[in-house]
Amino acid sequence: DAGVTQSPTHLIKTRGQQVTLRCSPKSGHDTVSWYQQALGQGPQFIFQYYEEEERQRGNFPDRFSGHQFPNYSSELNVNALLLGDSALYLCASSLGTDLRAFFGQGTRLTVV
Amino acid sequence: GQQLNQSPQSMFIQEGEDVSMNCTSSSIFNTWLWYKQDPGEGPVLLIALYKAGELTSNGRLTAQFGITRKDSFLNISASIPSDVGIYFCAGPLRFGNEKLTFGTGTRLTIIP
Repeated sequence: DAGVTQSPTHLIKTRGQQVTLRCSPKSGHDTVSWYQQALGQGPQFIFQYYEEEERQRGNFPDRFSGHQFPNYSSELNVNALLLGDSALYLCASSLGTDLRAFFGQGTRLTVV
Repeated sequence: GQQLNQSPQSMFIQEGEDVSMNCTSSSIFNTWLWYKQDPGEGPVLLIALYKAGELTSNGRLTAQFGITRKDSFLNISASIPSDVGIYFCAGPLRFGNEKLTFGTGTRLTIIP
């Protein structure tokens, strides 16, 4: 039973560029959430996708966008990267409204 | 920003000791989740709590949902080296809200 998988594991981008991160949810899960975790802090909620639509959004600018595909996998896109976007990006999956979220290993994004 | 405060911020203990940590909020929570995060990895779900006063165990870990619904506690008995990591509490800030708010974290270190 595969857990949540994310790709890539590490990424280095230049300020102003765009990036796409990918996530496959745990088998049987239909809901995907994305979190940003800065060094030394807890994860911060970016948004959640369910039935291919954004169900909730945290306090992040429109530069952060996402998508969910029919197979429940998801992408996180960040445009016009800033140095402050450097962080560990975590994908979590869950089933419907079950709050128990299961996390992937994360993608470490470094913006230079 | 963060609305869940965890204490202590860090703990230095010897192997075999028992550990206690807590999580407090100014708001009422209807669900508490406890996660453990190893360096460079995503958080792993340890325990989920759903009602005030609930006491739930997972091996050497025991968590309690505070009766005021504004706090939760996690205890680890007879600590072992693999318990090292950062422990986060998390929960939905508003009822029916699937967005998880994470605490500030408690870093556990075991002294040889």
